[in-house]
Amino acid sequence: GAVVSQHPSWVICKSGTSVKIECRSLDFQATTMFWYRQFPKQSLMLMATSNEGSKATYEQGVEKDKFLINHASLTLSTLTVTSAHPEDSSFYICSAFGTTTEAFFGQGTRLTVV
Amino acid sequence: TQLLEQSPQFLSIQEGENLTVYCNSSSVFSSLQWYRQEPGEGPVLLVTVVTGGEVKKLKRLTFQFGDARKDSSLHITAAQPGDTGLYLCAGEFSGNTPLVFGKGTRLSVIA
Repeated sequence: GAVVSQHPSWVICKSGTSVKIECRSLDFQATTMFWYRQFPKQSLMLMATSNEGSKATYEQGVEKDKFLINHASLTLSTLTVTSAHPEDSSFYICSAFGTTTEAFFGQGTRLTVV
Repeated sequence: TQLLEQSPQFLSIQEGENLTVYCNSSSVFSSLQWYRQEPGEGPVLLVTVVTGGEVKKLKRLTFQFGDARKDSSLHITAAQPGDTGLYLCAGEFSGNTPLVFGKGTRLSVIA
């Protein structure tokens, strides 16, 4: 099946710094990728839709200047958490549709801001 | 307002028992997917149901899509400790649109 690789798996950063998370589709091209955020013991919450070659579409309440999304190629989308604060600590997951209508998820990135 | 209501949110049962998880919506989905997620990992797809009334079986797991494509259920027979995890249902309205997730069911199977 289709594989989505997310990197890093976990990261600890200091408050005020920026962190970049990569999401790659390894064996297929993804014109659209989705970024989710998941708090402990909760479900996935859609943050934004990443479109190759164009601006991302953000969900209501998600700050586009804080969560920068770049989808420069058909196999790579990045999410940069800028000026991270402890409340940004969370589990971030990306997903993409393969050649069928099924969505495949990355392994997730656990971000801890100290 | 939660678009996809999933219940129960928590379930703790003894090994060997049966259980059913429900996902309900007032919206019609083109497909519905069930995922299982382990702590610290991304969700892993279990099954996709597309046709109203469809039933799919995956070993001890039985998935059903409602006739109107608004609801779905996951039934586990003779639960095992290895079934412990977070189960998520997710509905899709059309191709390449973001999935709508239920709140998840955290299952704990005690040996």
